[in-house]
Amino acid sequence: QITLKESGPTLVKPTQTLTLTCTFSGFSLTSDVVVGWVRQPPGKAPEWLAFIYGNDDKRYSPSLRNRLTITKDSSKKEVVLTMNNMDPVETATYYCVHRTTDTSFDCWGQGTLVTVSS
Amino acid sequence: EIVLTQSPATLSLSPGERATFSCRASQSIAIYLAWYQQKPGQTPRLLIYDTFKRATGISARFSGSGSGTDFTLTISSLEPEDSAVYYCQHRQNWPWTFGQGTKVEVK
Repeated sequence: QITLKESGPTLVKPTQTLTLTCTFSGFSLTSDVVVGWVRQPPGKAPEWLAFIYGNDDKRYSPSLRNRLTITKDSSKKEVVLTMNNMDPVETATYYCVHRTTDTSFDCWGQGTLVTVSS
Repeated sequence: EIVLTQSPATLSLSPGERATFSCRASQSIAIYLAWYQQKPGQTPRLLIYDTFKRATGISARFSGSGSGTDFTLTISSLEPEDSAVYYCQHRQNWPWTFGQGTKVEVK
């Protein structure tokens, strides 16, 4: 059974850096497996942020790529997302997601609500 | 960036009725469209991917069709637990984007 769980701060100040960790189980990050991040502001549609593949290939949302970094530690079964220069409009639930190379987001973590406020 | 436009914004139907709603892409996405269901306070759940493929454990009441720029999700016989927001999402190219959602009320 695939599970993903997000952890990190619930509150960050504007201009600070957000660091989120996804701890996963039930699968290994092989070449055809992808772990990523999606966020969803309250009452709005989800937005894809970044992916990392088992071979360490990475994809970022073009509008955010200068602010995002995604890394993995396969031995710890963790994927980490950092996003710098946070803004209050980026208050959202941040989800860790799983997919394989021929599907969309087939498993989601429970999500973690991050509030950006001074 | 490919924009996905969903219609209608809200759909209100009775149990047993058939629900059909649309997702239109701003350019061709071949068959690379997925549908998600999100109930209040819950995580999105993948229903359909690549236009018509049902995800694991998804009821046959849910079906998808279309290609190119026009896609449809159909729920054949609505049940009260189908009340949710439904989002479409493409994976044709980067960035992957979502539609703004269709809210379905079953009562």
